[in-house]
Amino acid sequence: AQRVTQPEKLLSVFKGAPVELKCNYSYSGSPELFWYVQYSRQRLQLLLRHISRESIKGFTADLNKGETSFHLKKPFAQEEDSAMYYCALSVNSGYSTLTFGKGTMLLVSP
Amino acid sequence: GAGVSQTPSNKVTEKGKYVELRCDPISGHTALYWYRQSLGQGPEFLIYFQGTGAADDSGLPNDRFFAVRPEGSVSTLKIQRTERGDSAVYLCASSHYLLSGELFFGEGSRLTVL
Repeated sequence: AQRVTQPEKLLSVFKGAPVELKCNYSYSGSPELFWYVQYSRQRLQLLLRHISRESIKGFTADLNKGETSFHLKKPFAQEEDSAMYYCALSVNSGYSTLTFGKGTMLLVSP
Repeated sequence: GAGVSQTPSNKVTEKGKYVELRCDPISGHTALYWYRQSLGQGPEFLIYFQGTGAADDSGLPNDRFFAVRPEGSVSTLKIQRTERGDSAVYLCASSHYLLSGELFFGEGSRLTVL
């Protein structure tokens, strides 16, 4: 069965510092990887997906199949980035029964 | 409304009681998902509907849990003989079939079993 591991429960940085939220997965095939974000008092929403290869709100994530990782990075953190971040994996083509990690709380201080 | 709507937002019940949680997906979204999120955990998949049928119910923990979507829109998650371990936030999400991976979540129904 597939699994997603986010080793950090909490990541605390200062505004302007670089950020890397770690995500590792276990799956023998070719999964799709996603990052979802939940801001305070808001609903869970998609941040980015690896197949899009896009930067959203300054965040990027590269799928490394050799290391089975999909770390989320941003060069300069902003206070509004403070949120709960979930890495998720889908192994089904055509629909998305996502397997989520436990999440990492990012706290950006002024 | 524009987003996924879930009711009730909060439900407190006693052990052994029956509970229904409702989800109204985004209009036009054919896929509907139920997830459960316990404290300190990520969302855990329960069941997926494509139209009216449950295409994948492999995440339902036991036969006390059941979900329906009779007209391919609104869905109801039903929990019989609730147990304290059922306490969690139950999340509903919908997606457009062609945009696999982008789930639109509701705000969730927080269930507390005393």
